[in-house]
Order: sequence, then structure tokens, then C-alpha cells
Amino acid sequence: TQLLEQSPQFLSIQEGENLTVYCNSSSVFSSLQWYRQEPGEGPVLLVTVVTGGEVKKLKRLTFQFGDARKDSSLHITAAQPGDTGLYLCAGQTSNTGKLIFGQGTTLQVKP
Amino acid sequence: SAVISQKPSRDICQRGTSLTIQCQVDSQVTMMFWYRQQPGQSLTLIATANQGSEATYESGFVIDKFPISRPNLTFSTLTVSNMSPEDSSIYLCSVAQLEAFFGQGTRLTVV
Repeated sequence: TQLLEQSPQFLSIQEGENLTVYCNSSSVFSSLQWYRQEPGEGPVLLVTVVTGGEVKKLKRLTFQFGDARKDSSLHITAAQPGDTGLYLCAGQTSNTGKLIFGQGTTLQVKP
Repeated sequence: SAVISQKPSRDICQRGTSLTIQCQVDSQVTMMFWYRQQPGQSLTLIATANQGSEATYESGFVIDKFPISRPNLTFSTLTVSNMSPEDSSIYLCSVAQLEAFFGQGTRLTVV
């Protein structure tokens, strides 16, 4: 069974702080995606990483894909209350479109 | 990208009844996916809906409980049959190739 371990599951921080969310697996993924979800909505794609060692930046968000394509991290710099939400990592092992999701990280950024 | 319309957005149902959730995509896609999500938690894949063949179910999900239809390349339905309070959850449809796109979800409460 393929698993994607995501941590931490809950994070409550003050505005302006930095944070990192991790996703780890013993499986190799062909790609890994990060999503953000708000209550009452479906997950919205933030980024896809494909190449081992790849780093992508999206404003204050930095995404890394491990060299072995088994792990990934999301780093948020100077978090804002608008960053509050559920963050999900999801790995794909083939081109079938089937995704394996991590447990999710609920982030609360207090003003 | 793909635009996915899912309905109903929410429903409250009596135990023992069935609910059919509809998912419409604005483009033709080979595979559609149905997920279940407990509020604040991650997504669990129920099944993959293939056009022209039977759906492929994940471990722990069976066709009798979650029958799926896929009459064409832009539409699918998921039925939650003989509902019990344990079926209360958010149900999401998705389409994916390299990246996944989701409907807004159906919040189901069984009383």
C-alpha cells in the first residue's frame, strides 16, 4: 500500500511567521502536487513538481521535490491570515491520474 | 484546466435512502475519479470511473454501496446507497492527467 505521510496535521501560527509542511513516502512518485482547500470548496492546485530536486516558488510559497522523488516540502514565508486553509500533498505514480493524498495540514494564521 | 460542476452541493438524507451525485466536466476526459473527504481531513479515493467500462473500486469500497455511471466522456454519477450516518461526508469528483481538478464537492449529512 502506498502511503504519503504529511506533517504536521495542525498548525496555528501568528501572522508574519514562517512554516514548513512535509510529505514523505517510501514510494517514488512521477509527480507530486500541492493543493489548498477552503471550507465548502474543492481542493485547488497550487503547484506540480516533476523533477527530483526541483524547487518552485509561488510568491511567498516555496515547494521542493526530493532528489529521489519520494518526499516534498512546502515552505511559507511571512504567513498571512489569507493563507489559512487545508493544505494537501498528493503523489502520482503513473499517468493514470490516480492520486494518493497525504493526511492534510490544517493551517491557521492569526492576525 | 477543467471546469467541473457538481451537484447537489449539499443534502440532508434519511438513513436507508440513496443519493445520486452528478458531475459534469466542460471537456472530454478519459477518466473521472470519485473521492470521499471527512471535514478537515484528507481525500480517500472511492473509485475510478471509466467511460465504456465498469468503474474500478479501491479497497474498502464496493459497487453495491457506491454504484457509478459514466455514460459519456463529460459526465459521471456516484450513488451512495442505503445510507447510514457513517456515510456523512464530503464527496468530490475529479478529473486528472498530470494535475487534478476538483468539483466543489457535495456535503452529505445522513440523519
